[in-house]
Amino acid sequence: DVKVTQSSRYLVKRTGEKVFLECVQDMDHENMFWYRQDPGLGLRLIYFSYDVKMKEKGDIPEGYSVSREKKERFSLILESASTNQTSMYLCASSPGGGQEGTDTQYFGPGTRLTVL
Amino acid sequence: GENVEQHPSTLSVQEGDSAVIKCTYSDSASNYFPWYKQELGKRPQLIIDIRSNVGEKKDQRIAVTLNKTAKHFSLHITETQPEDSAVYFCAASNGNQFYFGTGTSLTVIP
Repeated sequence: DVKVTQSSRYLVKRTGEKVFLECVQDMDHENMFWYRQDPGLGLRLIYFSYDVKMKEKGDIPEGYSVSREKKERFSLILESASTNQTSMYLCASSPGGGQEGTDTQYFGPGTRLTVL
Repeated sequence: GENVEQHPSTLSVQEGDSAVIKCTYSDSASNYFPWYKQELGKRPQLIIDIRSNVGEKKDQRIAVTLNKTAKHFSLHITETQPEDSAVYFCAASNGNQFYFGTGTSLTVIP
C-alpha cells in the first residue's frame, strides 16, 4: 500500500517566517506534487517534480519554492509566509515512467497552515 | 493550459437515488481522467479513473463516462448510501500535470 506522509497536520506561523513543509513517499515514485486546497477553488498545483533535483512550476508558484534532494522527499518552502498563504497543503506522488497505470496520484493527509 | 470545470458544486440526494457529477475539459491532449473522493478531514482517495481510449468504466455502484468529442466526463453513483457523502473531485491529465475541478459536495440524506 502506497504511503505518503507529511511532516505536520497543523501548523501556525507568523507573517514573514520561513516555513518548510515536508512530504515523504515510500513507494519509489518518480513524480511528486504540491497542491494547495481552498474552498471553492479545488486543488491548485504549486510545483511538481518528476525526478531528483528536477522541479517544474505549476499554476501558482509565486511565493513558494521546492526542493527534491532525494527521490522519496519533496519539500515545499514558503520563503516569507503571508496571510494569503493560509491554506490546506496536499502532497501527492505517482509512479511515473509513462506506462498505463503509472500516473495515478496518491495523496498525503494534508497540512493545514495558518499564517497570522 | 487545461481548464477543468465541475458541476454542480453541491448536490443532495435521497438515500437510494442516483447522483451524477459532470466535468468538462478544454485540452484535447488530456488522456487520463481520475475521480477522487475526499471525506471531511481526510486526504483525497482515487475511486475510479478512465483513459481516453475507453468510453465507459464501471466498478460496482460507481461508473464514469467519457465523451472525447464533447470533452466532458461524468461520475455516476447509483443506489447512494450515507457513506457516499463527501466532496468529489474530477481531474484531467495529459501525463504530466493534473488539473482538478473545484469539487462537488455530495450529501446523501438517509
